[in-house]
Amino acid sequence: ETGVTQSPTHLIKTRGQQVTLRCSSQSGHNTVSWYQQALGQGPQFIFQYYREEENGRGNFPPRFSGLQFPNYSSELNVNALELDDSALYLCASSSEGASNSGANVLTFGAGSRLTVL
Amino acid sequence: AQSVSQHNHHVILSEAASLELGCNYSYGGTVNLFWYVQYPGQHLQLLLKYFSGDPLVKGIKGFEAEFIKSKFSFNLRKPSVQWSDTAEYFCAVNAPYGNNRLAFGKGNQVVVIP
Repeated sequence: ETGVTQSPTHLIKTRGQQVTLRCSSQSGHNTVSWYQQALGQGPQFIFQYYREEENGRGNFPPRFSGLQFPNYSSELNVNALELDDSALYLCASSSEGASNSGANVLTFGAGSRLTVL
Repeated sequence: AQSVSQHNHHVILSEAASLELGCNYSYGGTVNLFWYVQYPGQHLQLLLKYFSGDPLVKGIKGFEAEFIKSKFSFNLRKPSVQWSDTAEYFCAVNAPYGNNRLAFGKGNQVVVIP
């Protein structure tokens, strides 16, 4: 069973640019969530995707957007990058789906570290 | 919305010492509770979880946590730590049927000195 894989592992962008981060979910998982972890902080929920649609969103502006594909993989897109977007972006998958009991454990990837200069 | 508080962000202790990390959450309803651990250079992984039943939960590597509903707490404990327990520990909570979004605390950076 493969885990959650994310790419790229590290990248550097400048203010105003756009970035796309990718995530392949664990085998058997149909739900993908994205989290932002700033330095010295815990992960913050960005949004979740299930059945290729956004299924819940945290307190992040619309320039943070995502996609989920039929194979359950996902992308996180951030437009008009700001310095404060520098963080580790974590993808997590689960088999939660629409039931949303919260009882399905998330499997996290290693993250994509974004630096905005 | 749920929020989670973890105190004593940096903890340094010697091998064989006991460890207790505090976690308090603010949410009035039923919650699911988790402790995740991130070892150096590795990804977040589940240490233990509480959904219902016995409030004393045992996890991997000798860790346990106790859910005290009246105190809105879910403290993590280990009686005798090892050098390999050096890691960052995160408490997290979600509300059932709330889109499975986890609210994390800021984490505890634990360093165990051999």
